[in-house]
Amino acid sequence: NAGVTQTPKFRILKIGQSMTLQCTQDMNHNYMYWYRQDPGMGLKLIYYSVGAGITDKGEVPNGYNVSRSTTEDFPLRLELAAPSQTSVYFCASSSTGLPGNEQFFGPGTRLTVL
Amino acid sequence: GENVEQHPSTLSVQEGDSAVIKCTYSDSASNYFPWYKQELGKRPQLIIDIRSNVGEKKDQRIAVTLNKTAKHFSLHITETQPEDSAVYFCAASKGANNLFFGTGTRLTVIP
Repeated sequence: NAGVTQTPKFRILKIGQSMTLQCTQDMNHNYMYWYRQDPGMGLKLIYYSVGAGITDKGEVPNGYNVSRSTTEDFPLRLELAAPSQTSVYFCASSSTGLPGNEQFFGPGTRLTVL
Repeated sequence: GENVEQHPSTLSVQEGDSAVIKCTYSDSASNYFPWYKQELGKRPQLIIDIRSNVGEKKDQRIAVTLNKTAKHFSLHITETQPEDSAVYFCAASKGANNLFFGTGTRLTVIP
């Protein structure tokens, strides 16, 4: 099992450009999450999904969109990149949403918006 | 929403000494408290967790304690080793497994 994989590893965007961060998991997990981690800070939840076709906002959803057409994939879309979106983005998955169910994280995507 | 505060932000200890990291949370409905370790440039990895119906949990050199009344929980690492050097994050959750993270503690173990 590859676990949770993310592409790309690094990306530099210009202000106003758009891009999609890809996330795939091969553990047949129902729950998937997108977090951002700003320098020296903890992770903040952007969006999450409890299953294919179902998504919901987290703590900091503004400027982002998600979709969940399959169990495996949970892409994160930035439509109009802004410098405030410079961050490291982590995707995670868990088999259920029950407290105590471990979230497995991907390796992260480092995004810089100039 | 939930607010998790974590202290200290940096911690240096001599190899073999103990390290303690403390977190407080604001939402009394939170019922799950994991701790993650993140090495430089790597992904966060779960090292230990505790649910609200338990006061203490231990796993070898690592222990976590929870005080629900005071709404705080702590990570204890005994007999620290250089490989324990990393950033440690506490988190709290109350449903849908949505985690609210603290701001992290950079632990340095000096050989």
